[in-house]
Amino acid sequence: DQQVKQNSPSLSVQEGRISILNCDYTNSMFDYFLWYKKYPAEGPTFLISISSIKDKNEDGRFTVFLNKSAKHLSLHIVPSQPGDSAVYFCAASDTGTASKLTFGTGTRLQVTL
Amino acid sequence: DARVTQTPRDKVTEMGQEVTMRCQPILGHNTVFWYRQTMMQGLELLAYFRNRAPLDDSGMPKDRFSAEMPDATLATLKIQPSEPRDSAVYFCASGLSSLAGTEFFGPGTRLTVL
Repeated sequence: DQQVKQNSPSLSVQEGRISILNCDYTNSMFDYFLWYKKYPAEGPTFLISISSIKDKNEDGRFTVFLNKSAKHLSLHIVPSQPGDSAVYFCAASDTGTASKLTFGTGTRLQVTL
Repeated sequence: DARVTQTPRDKVTEMGQEVTMRCQPILGHNTVFWYRQTMMQGLELLAYFRNRAPLDDSGMPKDRFSAEMPDATLATLKIQPSEPRDSAVYFCASGLSSLAGTEFFGPGTRLTVL
């Protein structure tokens, strides 16, 4: 039973345009959400997070939006750059601790020139 | 440049063989995680240590998997006997706390069980 779902395995976006990566969750107890980025042959790295008390969190070109009623979050990258090409994992927790993270299956983003 | 290191990076073995994966956490980090990445499940937590003590290994198949920290600089994950369904990438991560997003992941061990 996949509690965190990333329904798009891959996404291709032109350089300079907006990339939107989506994530849905089913567990209403989740209250802390994160995005990780993973390059080939490397481990995931933390990108950005959001607490359920907020509906938006911004860090430079990256913005995460949370819609609690729809149990949906999205990651916006504006403008997209070739170096953003990676696999992005959405993760959720009901405690804010890494020991209780539930990850999605990832979305591979390809930013083309 | 402090990093989590994992060995081996790639391992191909035959079903039934023992597999040992090693992780060296970042010096001074007292929290260590083992994750498994598969296409179907994404990243799953297998085990979690703090100050070398296992706090949660509920994600591991107990009959064949074991995780230990013989000392603060080494974490091991063993599979005995290995099965084809264990084929995955295994990541180790370390951190100074259990707060999500503060952990540092190693590059992973890609395991293929034939």
